[in-house]
Amino acid sequence: EAGVTQFPSHSVIEKGQTVTLRCDPISGHDNLYWYRRVMGKEIKFLLHFVKESKQDESGMPNNRFLAERTGGTYSTLKVQPAELEDSGVYFCASSQYYTTSHEQYFGPGTRLTVT
Amino acid sequence: QQQVKQSPQSLIVQKGGISIINCAYENTAFDYFPWYQQFPGKGPALLIAIRPDVSEKKEGRFTISFNKSAKQFSLHIMDSQPGDSATYFCAATNRPSYSGAGSYQLTFGKGTKLSVIP
Repeated sequence: EAGVTQFPSHSVIEKGQTVTLRCDPISGHDNLYWYRRVMGKEIKFLLHFVKESKQDESGMPNNRFLAERTGGTYSTLKVQPAELEDSGVYFCASSQYYTTSHEQYFGPGTRLTVT
Repeated sequence: QQQVKQSPQSLIVQKGGISIINCAYENTAFDYFPWYQQFPGKGPALLIAIRPDVSEKKEGRFTISFNKSAKQFSLHIMDSQPGDSATYFCAATNRPSYSGAGSYQLTFGKGTKLSVIP
């Protein structure tokens, strides 16, 4: 079974540019989460989808971030325009919805550098 | 405000020794405490987890000790091996207010970089 995949693995952009990160969850996982780790800090929750619906976006830092999950499959996270403080590693995780297990399966992350 | 505090930031242990990583939390609504292990270039992977109704959980060389009254929990790695060298994250989560099984937002500690030297 394929794990969670993320694309790209690395992205270097200039301040003010736009970047779109993609996450493909494990097939059949209705829950999809985005997290971010800024250097030296903890991994922080950004938002949570159940299928195509945004269940919780309380962790989104501001309106420069837009997440979508059309069709309830893959998800994209767009940053527009990017700022220096957006640099970090963006993780996507997925899990089953109807389960007693709390386990979330993480992708390898996208390292975003804004210069 | 950091809800889960983790220490130490880095740890060097000799092969065969015991690695101990500590975490403390503030939110008494947390009811599930996982530890994640991350190798370079990979995402975090669930290692072991505990609920607050037990004080200890052991899986192989990995043990979680949990102290509900002190709001602390720790990871012990017995007989540490060079292959255990990784970054370890403690985390916590609680059942959300909205309905839905298996819908849990993780709150992480800052991570501990463990190096096990031969």
